[in-house]
Amino acid sequence: QSVLTQPPSASGTPGQRVTISCSGSSSNIGSNTVDWYQQLPGTAPKLLIYADNQRPSGVPDRFSGSKSGTSASLAISGLQSEDEADYYCAAWDDSLNGYVFGTGTKVTVL
Amino acid sequence: EEQLLESGGGLAQPGGSLRLSCAASGFIFSSYAMSWVRQAPGKGLEWVSSINGRDYKTYYADSVKGRFTISRDHSKNTVFLQMKSLRHEDTAIYYCAKGITMTGVAYDYWGQGTLVTVSS
Repeated sequence: QSVLTQPPSASGTPGQRVTISCSGSSSNIGSNTVDWYQQLPGTAPKLLIYADNQRPSGVPDRFSGSKSGTSASLAISGLQSEDEADYYCAAWDDSLNGYVFGTGTKVTVL
Repeated sequence: EEQLLESGGGLAQPGGSLRLSCAASGFIFSSYAMSWVRQAPGKGLEWVSSINGRDYKTYYADSVKGRFTISRDHSKNTVFLQMKSLRHEDTAIYYCAKGITMTGVAYDYWGQGTLVTVSS
C-alpha cells in the first residue's frame, strides 16, 4: 500500500489541460522533492519531472510540476493522444528510508 | 547514448534464489546511483533497492530487506540484485534504473526490464 495517493484516473479531450494530484505526508513530500514518471503501455517508465518542477531535456514544456506542503501536482497542457499513459509521482520518505511511488493515475484522451 | 540492459530473470520456486544483472553503458557508471524498481503484473511501480555511486551505501524496501542484496562492480559497469527466499509476491518485471546524481533517486534512464516469476 503506497504512502503517496493519486486519483486512479483522469481524462480530457485533445488540447485540454489535465492535472494529477499526489498527496503525501511530512516524511515524504513535505520534506523531500517530488518526481513524476510517465509509463506508456508495455514500456519502461520515463522521467517527466524531477525536483518538484524540473524537466529533463527532451520533455515538452506542456508538462509541469508543482508542490505545496504535503501535496504535489502534475499538469499536462495541450493534451495530446500520445499522452495517454499511466503517471506516477515519487519521493524519498525519511521514515521508511526509501523511495516511494504513488498509486498511479491512468490518463485517457477522449 | 546511455543504455541499461537487464538479465537473469526467469522462473524460480518459492524459497529459491535468482541473481539479476544490469549492464550499463554510455555514461560514467561510478558517478551515479543505481536502483531496482519492480512492477507486479497489472500493478503499479514499487521501489526495491538503491546503491550510491560514491560510498556504495545501500537502501532497501521493507518488503525485501534481509532477502535481497544490491551490489555494483565498477570494473564491469554492472549492478546486481541477489534475490533469496523468493516469495510468490516477488513476481514482477524488475527494472534497472540510473539515478540523476551520485546519490539521487530520480531515475532518468531505465532498462527494458526482466521478468521474474516465482511459482512452484
